[in-house]
Amino acid sequence: SQQGEEDPQALSIQEGENATMNCSYKTSINNLQWYRQNSGRGLVHLILIRSNEREKHSGRLRVTLDTSKKSSSLLITASRAADTASYFCATDPNTGTASKLTFGTGTRLQVTL
Amino acid sequence: DTAVSQTPKYLVTQMGNDKSIKCEQNLGHDTMYWYKQDSKKFLKIMFSYNNKELIINETVPNRFSPKSPDKAHLNLHINSLELGDSAVYFCASSQVSRLKGTQYFGPGTRLLVL
Repeated sequence: SQQGEEDPQALSIQEGENATMNCSYKTSINNLQWYRQNSGRGLVHLILIRSNEREKHSGRLRVTLDTSKKSSSLLITASRAADTASYFCATDPNTGTASKLTFGTGTRLQVTL
Repeated sequence: DTAVSQTPKYLVTQMGNDKSIKCEQNLGHDTMYWYKQDSKKFLKIMFSYNNKELIINETVPNRFSPKSPDKAHLNLHINSLELGDSAVYFCASSQVSRLKGTQYFGPGTRLLVL
């Protein structure tokens, strides 16, 4: 079964509104990451939050992590049309020589003018 | 100044053929990965190499054989292609000693097996 399940699967909002996406996972993690994928493109790393952190900010992005509930949320404030993309959470359980990321199912965000 | 590049971008081929996809990164990273993204956008890791050594090998048919000639290159050879191999294949790289976990992805190779 998939490690990460994201909710909602699709989200449509108007420019200027906030978008919140949630991610749940099943096993213990070293860190959790969020990536963006524009249509037909590769994934772009947005933010990484470690298992001992509860909240992190980067520009208009705010990520929270609740390891007791095995869940994370990504908030995009003041959304723009350019934020239209699919957003994936990815969990990394390893402390070894590679980050073995397990990706969620993704949330498709549509921001309309 | 492309960070992670893949060739070809598109690959259309017949069932049973053998094909290769190439990946190169100019970030100086020590670890490279291959992922497969299916038609439902589900992304799953296939292989990872650290300093040319295979360190992650997921449950992948042995028709798939990765090869890393040096730290900057990771190629994927696929034998006897099947319809189910149609997907987008992404290469990625990371530097595990710095910004551990952050991966940089290539643009993907869209493989269609007919």
